[in-house]
Amino acid sequence: KNEVEQSPQNLTAQEGEFITINCSYSVGISALHWLQQHPGGGIVSLFMLSSGKKKHGRLIATINIQEKHSSLHITASHPRDSAVYICAVRGSQGNLIFGKGTKLSVKP
Amino acid sequence: ETGVTQSPTHLIKTRGQQVTLRCSSQSGHNTVSWYQQALGQGPQFIFQYYREEENGRGNFPPRFSGLQFPNYSSELNVNALELDDSALYLCASSSPFRGTNGYTFGSGTRLTVV
Repeated sequence: KNEVEQSPQNLTAQEGEFITINCSYSVGISALHWLQQHPGGGIVSLFMLSSGKKKHGRLIATINIQEKHSSLHITASHPRDSAVYICAVRGSQGNLIFGKGTKLSVKP
Repeated sequence: ETGVTQSPTHLIKTRGQQVTLRCSSQSGHNTVSWYQQALGQGPQFIFQYYREEENGRGNFPPRFSGLQFPNYSSELNVNALELDDSALYLCASSSPFRGTNGYTFGSGTRLTVV
């Protein structure tokens, strides 16, 4: 079993839909990261969470430390949100342990 | 602030050859970590450098080696290339003392081994 599991693997939505991507982890963490990767490969950091909830524009990230679960929500989705969304937790060596990512495609 | 720059962006090598990939560090960051991302997978940790010393390593063989320079830029060297080394190689700079999201990623080097 991977230390960081994401679901779904692939997600297709219509423009305007509310989207949820889930992440579960099996290791103790100090922080969880949500990242966005575009087709060219570059990764952009969206959120770093250690508790509660954070919001940035149409993106909302929540984390439940007791249940070892986090969600990334996108409100009023738009085709430009199409990307791979990756959840990652900080490992014991200070590295990031990544999930496999959720490929999101938003259709106009 | 400058971002993280990786070079080259794309590279094709022959099995058995050696390759060097380069990564700058964002201003104010003193830690660089390297990741290998195979197609359709999440990135896997290769190693991490802090103040020119390797201070963490993932499950990669010794033919994967690295350096960090006084300006905190870094190199990843891979010897005796194998076909399975074909992947996107990402570096990220960070600093334990910055309270933001913490990591800045480069755009990656796509390595193809033929």
